[in-house]
Amino acid sequence: DAKTTQPTSMDCAEGRAANLPCNHSTISGNEYVYWYRQIHSQGPQYIIHGLKNNETNEMASLIITEDRKSSTLILPHATLRDTAVYYCIVRSYYGGSQGNLIFGKGTKLSVKP
Amino acid sequence: SAVISQKPSRDICQRGTSLTIQCQVDSQVTMMFWYRQQPGQSLTLIATANQGSEATYESGFVIDKFPISRPNLTFSTLTVSNMSPEDSSIYLCSVRTSGTKDTQYFGPGTRLTVL
Repeated sequence: DAKTTQPTSMDCAEGRAANLPCNHSTISGNEYVYWYRQIHSQGPQYIIHGLKNNETNEMASLIITEDRKSSTLILPHATLRDTAVYYCIVRSYYGGSQGNLIFGKGTKLSVKP
Repeated sequence: SAVISQKPSRDICQRGTSLTIQCQVDSQVTMMFWYRQQPGQSLTLIATANQGSEATYESGFVIDKFPISRPNLTFSTLTVSNMSPEDSSIYLCSVRTSGTKDTQYFGPGTRLTVL
């Protein structure tokens, strides 16, 4: 079973920041937080991941709370092409079967003009 | 990153037949996986394709129904056997890269419709 809880859906205005929350209250010390997104009919696209520090790349920023029980993915300037289902996943860095990505239902983000 | 291709991209098949899906990655990877995404659902892991040995299947999936091969570090196949309409799904190949940026990437998927 997925170890994360996300809102089912969210709306965001084009050009504004999209802040997608994720709850992972049972996360353990050896687990990363990963974010993927799936645009309709395509394979999931990797966005970003982190362990305990905040991370930023060309796509997004990941803010992880100090207790690591929740995180927020930030798309700084959402565009219509960011409309997708966003998945927050916790995954062990020990590899093997513990490191398998298990997908929950995700958040459907709709970016509106 | 890793570039993954899958063949075929889509197919329509008759009940009772089998389809083999191919997955090719542009670099050697340590781990390859197969996922299924049923209509309107999230992704479900079918199995880990192990190079040179039998695949490791998740609960609810069996080798007779989903035989998997992985002859080398860049290629794998998934066969969907004795298909029924319930097998209509998108099948996705995924690979995990190793190192400090241990990340998992996904192919474009194969959309299968069983009549």
